[in-house]
Amino acid sequence: EAGVAQSPRYKIIEKRQSVAFWCNPISGHATLYWYQQILGQGPKLLIQFQNNGVVDDSQLPKDRFSAERLKGVDSTLKIQPAKLEDSAVYLCASSLSTGVPYEQYFGPGTRLTVT
Amino acid sequence: GIQVEQSPPDLILQEGANSTLRCNFSDSVNNLQWFHQNPWGQLINLFYIPSGTKQNGRLSATTVATERYSLLYISSSQTTDSGVYFCAVPQTGGFKTIFGAGTRLFVKA
Repeated sequence: EAGVAQSPRYKIIEKRQSVAFWCNPISGHATLYWYQQILGQGPKLLIQFQNNGVVDDSQLPKDRFSAERLKGVDSTLKIQPAKLEDSAVYLCASSLSTGVPYEQYFGPGTRLTVT
Repeated sequence: GIQVEQSPPDLILQEGANSTLRCNFSDSVNNLQWFHQNPWGQLINLFYIPSGTKQNGRLSATTVATERYSLLYISSSQTTDSGVYFCAVPQTGGFKTIFGAGTRLFVKA
């Protein structure tokens, strides 16, 4: 079974530029998550989708971050414009369902550096 | 919201030693996961353990939900066990997952 796929793996941009990340979850997984992990910290949930609907986006900085999952499968996360403090690893995860029990599986992440 | 505390924050072991990592949480939970983040950043599922005890090779985990803690045991540690170990629980009354700050483990050869 293929795991969660993410691209690109690395990205370096200058502040005020825009960037987009892509995630393809495990086949059949209804729930998709985007996390931000700053160096030395645990992952922080940015947004959670159930199929193509948003379950939680309370920690998404909506003035600069956006995410979509139009067909309920793959997803993109965009940052526009980027700030220095956005430098982090962006992790995508998926699970069969939002309901209990759920076990999340993570992709390899995208390491973003904003200069 | 729920608070998750992991201890110790850092741990250095000699290869072959055993260790216990702890995860305390401030509210009742209906699931809990342990992850290992390897030096390349990949988060690997270790256990999904809302309660009880599970074992997988040299690793085992126990969650005592009524007392709001979980333990991860690593026996006969190997250098490949190095990395960061996270526990994660759902936000009280919601679906958002909250991660602890992690335990950074370094196993010396």
